[in-house]
Amino acid sequence: ETGVTQTPRHLVMGMTNKKSLKCEQHLGHNAMYWYKQSAKKPLELMFVYSLEERVENNSVPSRFSPECPNSSHLFLHLHTLQPEDSALYLCASSQDIGNQPQHFGDGTRLSIL
Amino acid sequence: GESVGLHLPTLSVQEGDNSIINCAYSNSASDYFIWYKQESGKGPQFIIDIRSNMDKRQGQRVTVLLNKTVKHLSLQIAATQPGDSAVYFCAEDGYNKLIFGAGTRLAVHP
Repeated sequence: ETGVTQTPRHLVMGMTNKKSLKCEQHLGHNAMYWYKQSAKKPLELMFVYSLEERVENNSVPSRFSPECPNSSHLFLHLHTLQPEDSALYLCASSQDIGNQPQHFGDGTRLSIL
Repeated sequence: GESVGLHLPTLSVQEGDNSIINCAYSNSASDYFIWYKQESGKGPQFIIDIRSNMDKRQGQRVTVLLNKTVKHLSLQIAATQPGDSAVYFCAEDGYNKLIFGAGTRLAVHP
């Protein structure tokens, strides 16, 4: 149904673990995004990539490391996370950046023990 | 919906009634606006968008109204159905990114 696929759908990890979230889009879009959605807060933009170049880094802690190897794939590498990092992490894509709809995946529900 | 805030404003409507969800935006220079629907366990789904050179746009059962004078956006859903129950977000374009509002929960009662 969705052109943006995120894996895994659920992830539980300890604070010392290293894991990666994966996003793949099948829409031929040039821009991809990572968002964090947590309780009591609006959607928070984390990173923006356009044609595999990072164009926005929204003051995100270095324990989150994005990677965009090509325009169809986006990763979020996680290392030494904190309990407050527990949230729903959403990936989105759009044809280009600016003034157009973004298409979202269903997210990865991340829980930090 | 477990994916959104605990204290969202809630709009409760009867099935078959029309729903109006409102949103205030902050930047008078914004020229693109969008509405999303998010159901429990899913990501936001695009509903309709509008550019600042318009004040109204209609889709299937939905209408978006833009009032630039008071920086207000609304989403009207005609003949609301149980499947419309979700959290609705407005967003404005903020130079390379969308800035999202906190959301409104729509509860449809039979």
